[in-house]
Amino acid sequence: DVKVTQSSRYLVKRTGEKVFLECVQDMDHENMFWYRQDPGLGLRLIYFSYDVKMKEKGDIPEGYSVSREKKERFSLILESASTNQTSMYLCASRGGGRIYGYTFGSGTRLTVV
Amino acid sequence: DQQVKQNSPSLSVQEGRISILNCDYTNSMFDYFLWYKKYPAEGPTFLISISSIKDKNEDGRFTVFLNKSAKHLSLHIVPSQPGDSAVYFCAAIQRAGGTSYGKLTFGQGTILTVHP
Repeated sequence: DVKVTQSSRYLVKRTGEKVFLECVQDMDHENMFWYRQDPGLGLRLIYFSYDVKMKEKGDIPEGYSVSREKKERFSLILESASTNQTSMYLCASRGGGRIYGYTFGSGTRLTVV
Repeated sequence: DQQVKQNSPSLSVQEGRISILNCDYTNSMFDYFLWYKKYPAEGPTFLISISSIKDKNEDGRFTVFLNKSAKHLSLHIVPSQPGDSAVYFCAAIQRAGGTSYGKLTFGQGTILTVHP
């Protein structure tokens, strides 16, 4: 069964800390995505990557960066965490070709205090 | 600029009845649409999809209808079951002439509650 694994289910961090959210997929997918989910706002795209070492900004990249050193791993970095980054973070991957749906990880609930 | 909109934040139905979840989009370049279901503390899971060349796609209790002229799609669940209680997201993508990255645009989600 294909899998997208997010390293942490719940995280609590302090304002100003640097935060790393890790995501690993075992499907050899080229495309990987980071979304955040907030009530009333749905899923908003932060960053995505279509290949190793390649990255593109999504709709809300401010305050975030990403790293993709290996095909299977896509990391989201909060350079200096702030309380408005408290959210559910979802990683997803997608293979190429005619399959358009994503496979999502279980999410990381991040609370910044 | 919300290109995919789900205007009903929540919907409550009785077990056995029909649930109808609605979604509107503004980008006429979207040509493929998907519905995802999300339980609390889990990632969204794919439910059903439809291409813009069709107006209906059915999979068991789930049917998606697409009205291209109105830029509107709906998800029908018949009969509804308590286990269907979840958040439902519609999503859209531009395949033709779009990038190969497959970037989905999601709506805000609708919380469905099915009462026993």
